[in-house]
Amino acid sequence: GAVVSQHPSWVICKSGTSVKIECRSLDFQATTMFWYRQFPKQSLMLMATSNEGSKATYEQGVEKDKFLINHASLTLSTLTVTSAHPEDSSFYICSARDTGGYNQPQHFGDGTRLSIL
Amino acid sequence: SQKIEQNSEALNIQEGKTATLTCNYTNYSPAYLQWYRQDPGRGPVFLLLIRENEKEKRKERLKVTFDTTLKQSLFHITASQPADSATYLCALEGMDSSYKLIFGSGTRLLVRP
Repeated sequence: GAVVSQHPSWVICKSGTSVKIECRSLDFQATTMFWYRQFPKQSLMLMATSNEGSKATYEQGVEKDKFLINHASLTLSTLTVTSAHPEDSSFYICSARDTGGYNQPQHFGDGTRLSIL
Repeated sequence: SQKIEQNSEALNIQEGKTATLTCNYTNYSPAYLQWYRQDPGRGPVFLLLIRENEKEKRKERLKVTFDTTLKQSLFHITASQPADSATYLCALEGMDSSYKLIFGSGTRLLVRP
């Protein structure tokens, strides 16, 4: 149980393109999902918290107009990197937190490797 | 602000030995702490959660301790196997208790056959 699917797993595109990444909880409902960014040999850096039916909460230093988050249902959150540039190239990972209690682990997708040429 | 430290140097051990990884934190007293495993190019996988009132937690060959006085958690893998080779991340809840997790930088474990 507790499977999170992330799509696509790999994207290569030209500078200036907007890229959408999907994160789905397959067998549970997630009122809260999280988006992380990870550079090589570094840890996960939280970008934003995605709340179903409301606006996302962004971490300090993360541009909300650059990284658009939509959480329209209890099983789907999307991250759109708008007008992507080479410096946006990174490994983006989503996670979903199962409902039903405070001390719940997060379940992660397998990430999306984004390469901007 | 919260600070989480894990040994950035890789831990290299012989198969069958016990691996011990350390997670230290400052400027915070979390209600719980979590450990995750991450393989290259994959998302983290949850392993264990330990609460502040628990001294120790076990799951098969894994053992986690939580010392709130020292502000430290130790993660042990007994009878280690080459398949245990991965990066292990510790994570604490955010100070604002919004369910978000703050991750350490991770320690890479390499188990030699």
